[in-house]
Amino acid sequence: GQQVMQIPQYQHVQEGEDFTTYCNSSTTLSNIQWYKQRPGGHPVFLIQLVKSGEVKKQKRLTFQFGEAKKNSSLHITATQTTDVGTYFCAGSNNDMRFGAGTRLTVKP
Amino acid sequence: ETGVTQTPRHLVMGMTNKKSLKCEQHLGHNAMYWYKQSAKKPLELMFVYSLEERVENNSVPSRFSPECPNSSHLFLHLHTLQPEDSALYLCASSQGWSEKLFFGSGTQLSVL
Repeated sequence: GQQVMQIPQYQHVQEGEDFTTYCNSSTTLSNIQWYKQRPGGHPVFLIQLVKSGEVKKQKRLTFQFGEAKKNSSLHITATQTTDVGTYFCAGSNNDMRFGAGTRLTVKP
Repeated sequence: ETGVTQTPRHLVMGMTNKKSLKCEQHLGHNAMYWYKQSAKKPLELMFVYSLEERVENNSVPSRFSPECPNSSHLFLHLHTLQPEDSALYLCASSQGWSEKLFFGSGTQLSVL
């Protein structure tokens, strides 16, 4: 069945450094979604990517969908303490599978 | 506020108890979901209801029993749970199948 792998599991950065999390699927995806879960909170939808090679930006966040629609990345430029949380990808192909998430901590 | 309300927020129960988790969505969505979130594990999809019909049951033990009386309400009935069932149980809804999910705040369940 479809599997979605996400790396790294943890990332600790100094405030102002960049951060990237990667998502890989064993099968071609129809779309991929990204969510953020703050400590003690629930996942909140960030964005959905549908097209091959698609790139979308939200302020300091850049989302990419691979040409083969099997991988994706989320890049945060100049992290801030408000970026702390766990970032999940979720790939869809008949059903939706979540990656294990990358927990980001930011040192002020 | 996401428009998806879950109660209770916290629940402690013994292995012989019967309890129910409740979820209500005010978004007019057609699909509702139960997810289980444990430490060190990906979000696990338990049940999906689309237009009030169950469309997926990922080999969830029978001690978990879902109920969807209408498109706005979803329940998860619990009985004779095990300590390993302790987790955060999240309800979510979406406009359509596999579209963006709106999560509730979750029920933190502890089974003693």
